[in-house]
Amino acid sequence: QQQVKQSPQSLIVQKGGISIINCAYENTAFDYFPWYQQFPGKGPALLIAIRPDVSEKKEGRFTISFNKSAKQFSLHIMDSQPGDSATYFCAAASGGGADGLTFGKGTHLIIQP
Amino acid sequence: DAGVIQSPRHEVTEMGQEVTLRCKPISGHNSLFWYRQTMMRGLELLIYFNNNVPIDDSGMPEDRFSAKMPNASFSTLKIQPSEPRDSAVYFCASSLISEGNTIYFGEGSWLTVV
Repeated sequence: QQQVKQSPQSLIVQKGGISIINCAYENTAFDYFPWYQQFPGKGPALLIAIRPDVSEKKEGRFTISFNKSAKQFSLHIMDSQPGDSATYFCAAASGGGADGLTFGKGTHLIIQP
Repeated sequence: DAGVIQSPRHEVTEMGQEVTLRCKPISGHNSLFWYRQTMMRGLELLIYFNNNVPIDDSGMPEDRFSAKMPNASFSTLKIQPSEPRDSAVYFCASSLISEGNTIYFGEGSWLTVV
């Protein structure tokens, strides 16, 4: 059972454009929703995270939008840059993350110069 | 801080051999997680420890897999005997047991079983 569904699998965006990645979850016990960024040959690294008591969180060019009733959340990358080319994973966890993360399958993002 | 340290970074072994992957979590962290990453299944949580105690090992695929955490600064993931389908990248991660704290990943151990 896939508890966190992520789309699209791959995404190509022009430099300066907006990259949007979507995730949906099933488990209503989830209360922590991070996004991780992974470059080839490296481990995933936390990019930004949100808890369900807010509907949006912004850090620089990265924004998470969260819809609790729909059980969906998304990552928006504004002014996308070639250096943003990486694989992005959404994740969800209960216990604020203490119980370990359940990851989506990942989105391979390519920003074309 | 040195981050989560994993060894070996790469290992190629023959089917049937024992494989031991090692992890040193970030100093002061008291939660440790083992994940496996494959193209087909993505990132899967295998097992996690809180204060050196295994809490949930429901993600461990088979009895061939075992994990230990003898102290706060060291953990091992063992596969015995190894099979070609075990080929994957194995990540160790650590965090503090409190709400919202970041889970930090190591750079992974790339395992190939031939």
